[in-house]
Amino acid sequence: RKEVEQDPGPFNVPEGATVAFNCTYSNSASQSFFWYRQDCRKEPKLLMSVYSSGNEDGRFTAQLNRASQYISLLIRDSKLSDSATYLCVVNLNTDKLIFGTGTRLQVFP
Amino acid sequence: DAGVIQSPRHEVTEMGQEVTLRCKPISGHNSLFWYRQTMMRGLELLIYFNNNVPIDDSGMPEDRFSAKMPNASFSTLKIQPSEPRDSAVYFCASSQRGQGGYEQYFGPGTRLTVT
Repeated sequence: RKEVEQDPGPFNVPEGATVAFNCTYSNSASQSFFWYRQDCRKEPKLLMSVYSSGNEDGRFTAQLNRASQYISLLIRDSKLSDSATYLCVVNLNTDKLIFGTGTRLQVFP
Repeated sequence: DAGVIQSPRHEVTEMGQEVTLRCKPISGHNSLFWYRQTMMRGLELLIYFNNNVPIDDSGMPEDRFSAKMPNASFSTLKIQPSEPRDSAVYFCASSQRGQGGYEQYFGPGTRLTVT
């Protein structure tokens, strides 16, 4: 079983739609959680951290469910510029980050 | 401020040749990571350093791969001899250990093709 699992997609949504991605992780000792974004042929960049209480950054909302070992990312009012691959990332309180293989989002006009 | 710098950006080489990838981390960062990304396997951590010391090289695929960090501002990843299955994008990332969030800053990557 992979340490971090994501639906690879692609998710094809129209502009203005709301889309949600899910991610599960296998190690219950995981301490920190993140969403990174990777544009085509570019490097990954931190989108947002995920806190136990849930957190929001503009149109983006991240949720964590420790009991189910489940992380989600919700994007409201999708823009064309949101088209990218979204990587779910888990940390075991070491320096290492464990990356999922990513969920691809394509927003169309 | 300059981000993580990698060179070369693209490398095409023949099987059996030696390949050296270079990385300059962000100034002041004390952790450096080498990753490999392919469509099939996603982003895999190969090795990482703290304060120039290799901490975990369990992701290095085999003895053909080696990495060094002679000082805080430079690291190399070497493949000798290279094989077609080494074709991938190799990313270097750095972070400031001890800061909350463990955010890693990635370089633009080196796209390696071994023919």
